Amino acid sequence: EIVLTQSPGTLSLSPGERATLSCRASQSVSSSYLAWYQQKPGQAPRLLMYGASSRATGIPDRFSGSGSGTDFTLTISRLEPEDFAVYYCHQYGTPPYTFGQGTKVEIK
Amino acid sequence: EVQLVESGGGLVQPGGSLRLSCAASGFTFSNYWMSWVRQGPGKGLEWVANIKQDGSEKNYVDSVKGRFTISRDNAKNSLYLQMNSLRVEDTGVYYCARVYSSSSGRAMDVWGQGATVTVSS
Repeated sequence: EIVLTQSPGTLSLSPGERATLSCRASQSVSSSYLAWYQQKPGQAPRLLMYGASSRATGIPDRFSGSGSGTDFTLTISRLEPEDFAVYYCHQYGTPPYTFGQGTKVEIK
Repeated sequence: EVQLVESGGGLVQPGGSLRLSCAASGFTFSNYWMSWVRQGPGKGLEWVANIKQDGSEKNYVDSVKGRFTISRDNAKNSLYLQMNSLRVEDTGVYYCARVYSSSSGRAMDVWGQGATVTVSS
């Protein structure tokens, strides 16, 4: 099983600041199969990025993804009020298709 | 509008059974792999199972193998999850999700609102 470890667990930032979220895999993951999701309380997850760096439909360009192999990053260039949420990385390459434990981005 | 709507959640005793359904609309259901993902109370996301377009291939997380069965009816645009021998640790919100696949990658791009399953005596 591929274990995905996200850091930090919580990120306290102010609107307008830059957020950098990390996802490290226990073994290599094809970039094609690394995705990022955003989840707000009481809501279903929303796909942000797929293929490590491709934005899903309707996702603003302040969101960007990068990385390869075992290290992946989600960057939010300037935080908007609606961006404060929990973010999960996910690998859909090798079953079981695991998620990271999540990074909470909270308002400082 | 592309939509997934889950139903069938509820309260069940340990050892009991429950069947979740997911009704798809707004897209050609038979063209997509489909998945179930769950989330325990206050916990993260856990992928549970997926099924190929024609139902010929299925995958499960180890913790549900032999107890849960994923299936689909393409004529009815519906996905199912039969859950037997339920345990307290199966409690949570169960989401169905469409699997998007392209040359750029693969991910779950459309999610339902979730069905709540509570296993308790």
